[in-house]
Amino acid sequence: DTGVSQNPRHKITKRGQNVTFRCDPISEHNRLYWYRQTLGQGPEFLTYFQNEAQLEKSRLLSDRFSAERPKGSFSTLEIQRTEQGDSAMYLCASSPAVPGYGYTFGSGTRLTVV
Amino acid sequence: SQKIEQNSEALNIQEGKTATLTCNYTNYSPAYLQWYRQDPGRGPVFLLLIRENEKEKRKERLKVTFDTTLKQSLFHITASQPADSATYLCALDKSGGSYIPTFGRGTSLIVHP
Repeated sequence: DTGVSQNPRHKITKRGQNVTFRCDPISEHNRLYWYRQTLGQGPEFLTYFQNEAQLEKSRLLSDRFSAERPKGSFSTLEIQRTEQGDSAMYLCASSPAVPGYGYTFGSGTRLTVV
Repeated sequence: SQKIEQNSEALNIQEGKTATLTCNYTNYSPAYLQWYRQDPGRGPVFLLLIRENEKEKRKERLKVTFDTTLKQSLFHITASQPADSATYLCALDKSGGSYIPTFGRGTSLIVHP
């Protein structure tokens, strides 16, 4: 297992287009988190899953954002009708379900909306 | 409201010295406090975790302290090296129920040779 994998690494899209990002967590990790990070700021929590259940989604930035983890393995984050303000780094992290361990992050997907 | 504060100004130190970074928080009762390193264009990398009932944790050249009365954590890098230059983030996990790590904005450390 090589850690948390995110694809693509970079995405440039035109305003109004839909984009989807993929995250493959560490296979033994039950929990999967999505964060957004803009320049000079810390990661901002969006949503998380325990196995296939999405346990917190109230902090998704708008109804244009949605996430899935259909079989409790990989996850996707979709942004519909992208806006320039969506330009950011989107990070995925995974962890065991038992608390008290650090979170393993992927390298992120850099989204640029033009 | 809940806040996690890290010094937004970069910390510049000379190689070989000890770097000390601060994380203050308000309106939290964290069960865990974590420190991460982040390099430009990369995701954060986990360094250390300290529990609310622990005062200090060490790992090689790293030391973290956690004072729940002061609501503060200090992160120390001894014998700093230019390779330690990065942004360091602290994150808090709340106790009871869901564990959703909340991050500070990070402090940039620059170690000069």
